[in-house]
Amino acid sequence: EPEVTQTPSHQVTQMGQEVILRCVPISNHLYFYWYRQILGQKVEFLVSFYNNEISEKSEIFDDQFSVERPDGSNFTLKIRSTKLEDSAMYFCASSPMEGGHQPQHFGDGTRLSIL
Amino acid sequence: GEDVEQSLFLSVREGDSSVINCTYTDSSSTYLYWYKQEPGAGLQLLTYIFSNMDMKQDQRLTVLLNKKDKHLSLRIADTQTGDSAIYFCAERGYQKVTFGTGTKLQVIP
Repeated sequence: EPEVTQTPSHQVTQMGQEVILRCVPISNHLYFYWYRQILGQKVEFLVSFYNNEISEKSEIFDDQFSVERPDGSNFTLKIRSTKLEDSAMYFCASSPMEGGHQPQHFGDGTRLSIL
Repeated sequence: GEDVEQSLFLSVREGDSSVINCTYTDSSSTYLYWYKQEPGAGLQLLTYIFSNMDMKQDQRLTVLLNKKDKHLSLRIADTQTGDSAIYFCAERGYQKVTFGTGTKLQVIP
């Protein structure tokens, strides 16, 4: 069964550095998402992306964050000037189309540790 | 805003049924989901239910939805040790999915 793949599985970065998290969504999917889960807390929505632009974002997704689909397969989340509180598990998800009847399929996540 | 609440912990004996409960606030939710997360792993979609249904059964899993009370439950029949994980209830709004706090299911052999 096709799946969403994320790399790396674990990223360790010094505070203040930039980090890029990578995702390869399922190939025929059109909608892409990033979520994060701080240790012991809820999974939180960050952003959704469709047709090469952001379609919805949460208040967490401020100017420190950006997303890009640089080619036909990758979907990236860039975090600039990382802070300690950015340490979390970051999940990418994709769905074939809009609407609740197509559930989002999640990757295994990238654990981001900011030192 | 949308809110999804779950109890934090459930312990059951192997072979018993588990029932994990969830409440949500968004009356415009169209779909509700159950995801499973094993330690160190991602979010695995277990099952989902459309808001105009009140029950869905999928092998050992039964989902019950009370839309009036905004209450969702997941019943796992014949619970096995491999079912030990965190179970997230989630509701779908326009695009984003709002997750509950997760219920940690412990299965005692």
